[in-house]
Amino acid sequence: KNQVEQSPQSLIILEGKNCTLQCNYTVSPFSNLRWYKQDTGRGPVSLTIMTFSENTKSNGRYTATLDADTKQSSLHITASQLSDSASYICVVSFFTGGGNKLTFGTGTQLKVEL
Amino acid sequence: EAGVAQSPRYKIIEKRQSVAFWCNPISGHATLYWYQQILGQGPKLLIQFQNNGVVDDSQLPKDRFSAERLKGVDSTLKIQPAKLEDSAVYLCASSVDREDGYTFGSGTRLTVV
Repeated sequence: KNQVEQSPQSLIILEGKNCTLQCNYTVSPFSNLRWYKQDTGRGPVSLTIMTFSENTKSNGRYTATLDADTKQSSLHITASQLSDSASYICVVSFFTGGGNKLTFGTGTQLKVEL
Repeated sequence: EAGVAQSPRYKIIEKRQSVAFWCNPISGHATLYWYQQILGQGPKLLIQFQNNGVVDDSQLPKDRFSAERLKGVDSTLKIQPAKLEDSAVYLCASSVDREDGYTFGSGTRLTVV
């Protein structure tokens, strides 16, 4: 069964600190992995997308890594800001006869405090 | 580039009533998706359109949910009659094709009382 598990479920950090969110998946056959940021009451916004051959990708203060052998990904946030408070969702895409389909993780709820 | 537009932003209805949501995808995006996101959970795909044809509606509760995309552009999702467990955020997303990155709308938050 295709699954995406994220940890931790929730996290509280102080402004300016770094943090790392984890994503483990069992999706097959793998197509790509995306990290989304979802603010409360808003739709998810894409942060990064990585294919099988990519190990790391950055988007400003966000850096995602992918280890396709161990089926693990991480999202590292540097110098956190209050506006980083949101849910971060790992989404893995897999191939099907009808095109790619997505499997969503349940997200990590991040709160950045002063 | 304009994003995916959804309306209304919020809706409160009583159980057994009907409700409809509207989505206008990004211009030129052939693929359109409706997701249901219950609080604390990841989005669940309800239905996927390719132009005006349905590609996947395997998780759509067809006894009460229906969706259409008649001209291959805008789409509506309807619930009739609504149940308490339908309370969720309904997200619309679009992409250029079935293997491209998704862009999500802001969603419609439905509360059934």
